[in-house]
Amino acid sequence: GAVVSQHPSRVICKSGTSVKIECRSLDFQATTMFWYRQFPKKSLMLMATSNEGSKATYEQGVEKDKFLINHASLTLSTLTVTSAHPEDSSFYICSARVRLGDTQYFGPGTRLTVL
Amino acid sequence: AQTVTQSQPEMSVQEAETVTLSCTYDTSESDYYLFWYKQPPSRQMILVIRQEAYKQQNATENRFSVNFQKAAKSFSLKISDSQLGDAAMYFCAYMRTGGTSYGKLTFGQGTILTVHP
Repeated sequence: GAVVSQHPSRVICKSGTSVKIECRSLDFQATTMFWYRQFPKKSLMLMATSNEGSKATYEQGVEKDKFLINHASLTLSTLTVTSAHPEDSSFYICSARVRLGDTQYFGPGTRLTVL
Repeated sequence: AQTVTQSQPEMSVQEAETVTLSCTYDTSESDYYLFWYKQPPSRQMILVIRQEAYKQQNATENRFSVNFQKAAKSFSLKISDSQLGDAAMYFCAYMRTGGTSYGKLTFGQGTILTVHP
């Protein structure tokens, strides 16, 4: 149980285009999902907290207009990187917290490369 | 703000031996959760073990155990009988149990564990 999927696993796009990453909790309802960014051999940096049916809460320094987050249902959150640039290239990971739970379960991540 | 510190960027261990990874944290809260996550080369984050701060007993999961010292704000992970599959980056993480930050994980810098055959 407690499986989280991400799609796509990797994406390559041209500079200036937008990319959408999906995060799904497959066997549980997740009232809260989190989006992280990770550089090679570095720790995870929390970008935003996504609550079902409400606006995402962004961490300081994260551009809301560049990283659009939508949490449309209890099993799906999406991250859209708008007008992507090479500096947005990174590994993006989502996690989901079980309703009223305290443990986060992580997706397998998405590698974004912007050319 | 809470901080989590892993002072060992890299550690190595011989197969079948025991290794301990260190983690310290800073918080003014009395109730919180602590976690160890493992990130193998696949980069999938895997929960290894969790500890609730109000529980004095150290958590154990098979070959993995923790030494939780609340007063010292220390939370080390011991891996016994190390296996090649234990090779990964290990992250210590802290989570508050209430307030606006409830559910947010604060991660340490990570420790890369190498297991030698």
